[in-house]
Amino acid sequence: EDQVTQSPEALRLQEGESSSLNCSYTVSGLRGLFWYRQDPGKGPEFLFTLYSAGEEKEKERLKATLTKKESFLHITAPKPEDSATYLCAVEGNYGQNFVFGPGTRLSVLP
Amino acid sequence: DTGVSQDPRHKITKRGQNVTFRCDPISEHNRLYWYRQTLGQGPEFLTYFQNEAQLEKSRLLSDRFSAERPKGSFSTLEIQRTEQGDSAMYLCASSLASAETQYFGPGTRLLVL
Repeated sequence: EDQVTQSPEALRLQEGESSSLNCSYTVSGLRGLFWYRQDPGKGPEFLFTLYSAGEEKEKERLKATLTKKESFLHITAPKPEDSATYLCAVEGNYGQNFVFGPGTRLSVLP
Repeated sequence: DTGVSQDPRHKITKRGQNVTFRCDPISEHNRLYWYRQTLGQGPEFLTYFQNEAQLEKSRLLSDRFSAERPKGSFSTLEIQRTEQGDSAMYLCASSLASAETQYFGPGTRLLVL
């Protein structure tokens, strides 16, 4: 069964303090790994898709990387507006749907 | 707005009542997914459609839940005889194909009293 864990569960950063969020996965043949941002009371907002180990994607202050067992979301010089829950999801060879991790709640203090 | 839309955004009902939610996907997307999310957790898969065909249902989906996508466009999710444990955010997503990015709607928050 495909599984996703995320760490830390919650993270508090000062504005400008860079850090990384971890997504570890167990999947029968990775077809895609997806990062989303979710604000309270809203649906997840797509950030990145990664398909193979070694792949990297960047957008503004965010950079996602992928290995064979985990993915990292690096946040460089975060701002308070980056505060949200960051969700990781995978799709494996034997599933036709995403399996989500529990998320990391990020708070960036001014 | 060409994103995924859901209606209603909020629903409060009494235990034992039936409720129905609607999802309108991105127009060219063939796949439509339903998820349920409770506080502090990631979304959990419920079911998905490829065009009008319902191809997979999670074991989370009890026989009180039914979903349809009659013409391969919008979809409805009905919960019969609601229970307090059904209280959650119900999310709809759509994609072009398998392993493609799923785009989510704003969700319907259900509260069962």
